[in-house]
Amino acid sequence: QVQLVQSGAEVKKPGASVKVSCKASGYTFSGYYLHWVRQAPGQGPEWMGWINPESGGTKYARNFQDRVTMTRDTSISTVYMELRRLRSDDTAVYYCARDAVYQLPDFNFDSWGQGTLVIVSS
Amino acid sequence: QSVLTQPPSASGAPGQRVTISCSGSSSNIGSNYVFWYQRLPGTAPKLLISYNDERPSGVPDRFSGSKSGTSASLAISGLRSEDEADYYCAARDDSLSGPVVFGGGTKLTVL
Repeated sequence: QVQLVQSGAEVKKPGASVKVSCKASGYTFSGYYLHWVRQAPGQGPEWMGWINPESGGTKYARNFQDRVTMTRDTSISTVYMELRRLRSDDTAVYYCARDAVYQLPDFNFDSWGQGTLVIVSS
Repeated sequence: QSVLTQPPSASGAPGQRVTISCSGSSSNIGSNYVFWYQRLPGTAPKLLISYNDERPSGVPDRFSGSKSGTSASLAISGLRSEDEADYYCAARDDSLSGPVVFGGGTKLTVL
């Protein structure tokens, strides 16, 4: 079965960077886009971007374009999301989510990681 | 402030039918598919409804989705205690808000 397992919680100071990992298993890693979605306390989810695990190509949301980088390591079926210049309002649970459609970003998220809590506090 | 508007809360007694609304605009719900996600306490979100009204494998037929114009609805019939969760709608968005937007979520309480 499809599984996405994320790295553990992080506490960071404002201005620092965080890198969250998401290890995929149970399916062909290169076949499905992986997205990152975050949810701040009391707010709805917010899409951050996607990565094509086959090519490494990425697309980022406008709000994060200059602060986020998504990468992948195909040898261990893992994608990473790095967010720089952290602010207190970046405090949120960060999820990776698999797109349901083969080799297309359809924004139909059929499997999700367990979430990684990132706290930004001085 | 989420682009799609959902009521913050909904409730119903076991066995009842509950509907959760999701309101958007012509750039999102009005011209794109709607998806619904369920997040049980302490767990990752789960895809509940795809493409307005399709249930992924394993989702009970007590859950149904519909769309009309710039609004969508999730209906849950035969309410059970295990349905108590947060529910989110999502849709592609063709404006600068896109490419995908979410609702703020509705917390469903089973009385």
